[in-house]
Amino acid sequence: QVQLVQSGAEVKKPGASVKVSCKASGYTFTSYGISWVRQAPGQGLEWMGWISAYNGNTNYAQKLQGRVTMTTDTSTSTAYMELRSLRSDDTAVYYCARVSSHLQFDYWGQGTLVTVSS
Amino acid sequence: SYVLTQPPSVSVAPGKTARITCGGNNIGSKSVHWYQQKPGQAPVLVIYYDSDRPSGIPERFSGSNSGNTATLTISRVEAGDEADYYCQVWDSSSDSYVFGTGTKVTVL
Repeated sequence: QVQLVQSGAEVKKPGASVKVSCKASGYTFTSYGISWVRQAPGQGLEWMGWISAYNGNTNYAQKLQGRVTMTTDTSTSTAYMELRSLRSDDTAVYYCARVSSHLQFDYWGQGTLVTVSS
Repeated sequence: SYVLTQPPSVSVAPGKTARITCGGNNIGSKSVHWYQQKPGQAPVLVIYYDSDRPSGIPERFSGSNSGNTATLTISRVEAGDEADYYCQVWDSSSDSYVFGTGTKVTVL
């Protein structure tokens, strides 16, 4: 069965960086893209970007351009999302999700809480 | 950028029908997907490609899309359907995925 398992919660200081991992299993990793979505406390879903697990091509939300980098390691079927220059409003639960044929997010990771606080 | 507007809340009695709208400019020309999110949990895909159901999603969940409005319909509502619901599209103009503002469904 398809599973996306994310790394654990993080607490960071403003200005620091965080790197969240998302390990995929149960399908051919390189056949699908991975998107990252975040959700601030009490707020809605915000799309952050997408990476092709096939060739590493990326597409980032304009709002995060220059601060976010998404990568994959095909040898371990793992996707990564790094966010730099963290601010308090980056405090959120970060999700990875598999992108399927009609550009829907058909499987999601369990979420990783990133707290930015001095 | 493309905007998807949902009502903040919908209330429905058990056994009745809930309809959640998602408004966007000419949304009928796009593929719309719907997610259910319960407190403390990751979103779950309940409708994709306007009206298709993933395996395991009850037939009570259905979708439609035309003109400027897409609709998620939940028939014979149960207490377990209480959750936040989000619509989502791919916007080719901005080369980005867009989520709706979200609707909280309350079962009375």
